[in-house]
Amino acid sequence: NAGVTQTPKFQVLKTGQSMTLQCAQDMNHEYMSWYRQDPGMGLRLIHYSVGAGITDQGEVPNGYNVSRSTTEDFPLRLLSAAPSQTSVYFCASSYSWGAGYEQYFGPGTRLTVT
Amino acid sequence: AQSVTQLDSQVPVFEEAPVELRCNYSSSVSVYLFWYVQYPNQGLQLLLKYLSGSTLVKGINGFEAEFNKSQTSFHLRKPSVHISDTAEYFCAVSRSPGSARQLTFGSGTQLTVLP
Repeated sequence: NAGVTQTPKFQVLKTGQSMTLQCAQDMNHEYMSWYRQDPGMGLRLIHYSVGAGITDQGEVPNGYNVSRSTTEDFPLRLLSAAPSQTSVYFCASSYSWGAGYEQYFGPGTRLTVT
Repeated sequence: AQSVTQLDSQVPVFEEAPVELRCNYSSSVSVYLFWYVQYPNQGLQLLLKYLSGSTLVKGINGFEAEFNKSQTSFHLRKPSVHISDTAEYFCAVSRSPGSARQLTFGSGTQLTVLP
């Protein structure tokens, strides 16, 4: 099993550009989520999905869009990048959305917006 | 609302010494508690979790944590650390019966094991 994969590993964008961060899992997990990690702030939830076709906002959703057309994929779109979106982004998945289920994290995408 | 406070941002410790990483939470309801570890340039990995039952929870790599409801704490301990334990450790809390979408992370503690 590859687990949770993310591409790209690194990305540099100019302010105003758009891009999509890819996330895929091969564990047939229902629940997938996106977090951003900023120094001294831990991880904050951006968006999540409890199954194909179902998405919802987390703590910091502004400036990001998601969709979930398949169980495996959960891309994160930055519509118009801003320097405040410079961060490390992690995708995670778990068998179900209950808190007792372990979340598996991808290796992260380090994004810099200039 | 719930929150998590990790009291130490950096903890240096010598190899083979014991270590305790502190975590306090606030919540008006029962909670689930987690510790995750992040090795350099990697994603997070679950170390251990408390859902219910025994308040002493054992995890991977020799770590354990004790849930203390009266002190609203969930401190992580290891009796003897190795160089390979150098990593960032995150405490997280979710409401019970809870949902993964309500998972709140602390700001992290960087554990550095010195030779």
